[in-house]
Formats: sequence, C-alpha cells, structure tokens
Amino acid sequence: DAKTTQPPSMDCAEGRAANLPCNHSTISGNEYVYWYRQIHSQGPQYIIHGLKNNETNEMASLIITEDRKSSTLILPHATLRDTAVYYCIVRSLTGANSKLTFGKGITLSVRP
Amino acid sequence: DTAVSQTPKYLVTQMGNDKSIKCEQNLGHDTMYWYKQDSKKFLKIMFSYNNKELIINETVPNRFSPKSPDKAHLNLHINSLELGDSAVYFCASSSRGRYNSPLHFGNGTRLTVT
Repeated sequence: DAKTTQPPSMDCAEGRAANLPCNHSTISGNEYVYWYRQIHSQGPQYIIHGLKNNETNEMASLIITEDRKSSTLILPHATLRDTAVYYCIVRSLTGANSKLTFGKGITLSVRP
Repeated sequence: DTAVSQTPKYLVTQMGNDKSIKCEQNLGHDTMYWYKQDSKKFLKIMFSYNNKELIINETVPNRFSPKSPDKAHLNLHINSLELGDSAVYFCASSSRGRYNSPLHFGNGTRLTVT
C-alpha cells in the first residue's frame, strides 16, 4: 500500500511554477521521498529524491518539511510537456526488498 | 541510446495462448523489475531480480514466470493468457550497491487479450 497521499489533480499556467504537495506522515527514518512522473503512454520517469534536505536538479526542486511528514515538488517554469501524472513515493534506500510502490498520483495539467 | 528497452511494444493475442515479453537494459544495473499497469492506471510491482536471483515475488498467478538469463535481461513469460491479463507491462532496472539507485523504466508493452 502506498504510504503517501496526494490531491487527485491540479493545474497551472504555462511558464508559472507548479507546486505539487504530498503528505507522508508515517515515513520512517530510513525512507526517502521519491518523485516520478508518467507522461501519457510512456514509462514512469524519475524526477528527484531526498531524505531531509531540500534538493534541486535540472528538472525540479524538492522541499521536505523539517518533520519530514510532507513535501512539495516544484517545477519552476511549467511547460505543456510537463502535463503528466506525478507520483510521490517513500522508499527505503537500502535493503534487498526495498520496493517502489506507486499510489494514485496527482494529475498535473499545464494550460497554455 | 535506449536505456531500458522492451519488445514487443504491442501484443494482441487470444485467450489461452502463451506469450513472452522481453526486456533488456544497457545501464549496467544489477536489479530488474516487472510492473503491471491495469486499466485503472494503477502501477503494481510483480517481480524483482537481483543478479539473476528472484528477490521480490508479489501475489502473481503461477502462469507468470519471469526468467533472467543474465543481469541485463529479464523476460516475462505468460501461460494460458486470460482476459484479465490485458494491461501495460513495464520493465525497470536499478543498481543495488550500498544504496538502491532510482529505477529506470522502459516504455511498456501493451498486452491485449481477446
């Protein structure tokens, strides 16, 4: 079972920042927060992951609250190609049985 | 260069047939996975292999049998196909060193059973 909750959908205007929230109140100390996205008819694509510090890469920024019970994925300048289902997932970074368990995700629609 | 490739992309077959889906990764990863995405779009893990050894086996019918000839390949064979097997099947790979790396996914095989 997924250990995260996300709103079912949101939209934003092209060129604006998209802030996607995620709650993971039962996250364990050894679990990381991962974000993936799935563009229609494609395989899931890794975006970013983090433990407790904020992270940034060429795709997005990840802001994790100090208590680690929630996080926000930020797409700084959304484009139409960012329209996709975004999955927030908690996963242990170690262990042979560490699984990536997908929930329902949040559907982001970027409007022109 | 394709990192995780699956063949075929589309597979249409009749109930009762046996079919295979192939997956290859050129990322040098040692762990490979099969996921199933049903019509409701839920992605569920089916199997995971590490260095050709089965390490995750979710509740999947025995008709599904993964085979890993080497670290770069994980094939999925399905016997006696049923209508409910219709779905998109995704292969993925990762590296299990000191820490588990992010998974890289293929673009899926859409299986339609008629």
